[in-house]
Amino acid sequence: EPEVTQTPSHQVTQMGQEVILRCVPISNHLYFYWYRQILGQKVEFLVSFYNNEISEKSEIFDDQFSVERPDGSNFTLKIRSTKLEDSAMYFCASSLDTGRNEQYFGPGTRLTVT
Amino acid sequence: GEDVEQSLFLSVREGDSSVINCTYTDSSSTYLYWYKQEPGAGLQLLTYIFSNMDMKQDQRLTVLLNKKDKHLSLRIADTQTGDSAIYFCAEPALGGSQGNLIFGKGTKLSVKP
Repeated sequence: EPEVTQTPSHQVTQMGQEVILRCVPISNHLYFYWYRQILGQKVEFLVSFYNNEISEKSEIFDDQFSVERPDGSNFTLKIRSTKLEDSAMYFCASSLDTGRNEQYFGPGTRLTVT
Repeated sequence: GEDVEQSLFLSVREGDSSVINCTYTDSSSTYLYWYKQEPGAGLQLLTYIFSNMDMKQDQRLTVLLNKKDKHLSLRIADTQTGDSAIYFCAEPALGGSQGNLIFGKGTKLSVKP
């Protein structure tokens, strides 16, 4: 069964450093998403991406965040200058359409900023 | 703004039924979703219900929707130890694209043998 994959599973970085989180969505899906979950809190939407551009972003997704689909398979989230409060689990998801909007999630990348 | 609320914990004995409840705020949501998260894994889409339905059954899972009270529930029949996980209720965000999901905090289901 096709699945969304994410790498790395755990990333430790120092405050102020740049990180890139990588995702490979399901191959025939057209819509891509990033969510994050700070420990003990809700899963929060960050950004959605369709047709090579951002279709929607939340207030969390400020100028330090960017997304890219550099080739036909990868979808990346870059955090330019990490802060302690960026420590969270980051989930990538993809869906075929926005009708029934069945979003399939990857296993997540745990980001720890020290 | 929109909000999705769930109780945080539920403990049942193996073989019993589990009922996980959720309340949501956006009455215009067209679909409502249940996700399951096992330890160390991502969110797995379990099932969803279209808003013009009151009930949807899928093997051991039954979803009930009360639109008037904005209440969604997930019933798991004959609960097994493998059902132990965190269950999330989700709805699309008001005013956003259908893609932007709002999640509850998740209900941790513990199944005792």
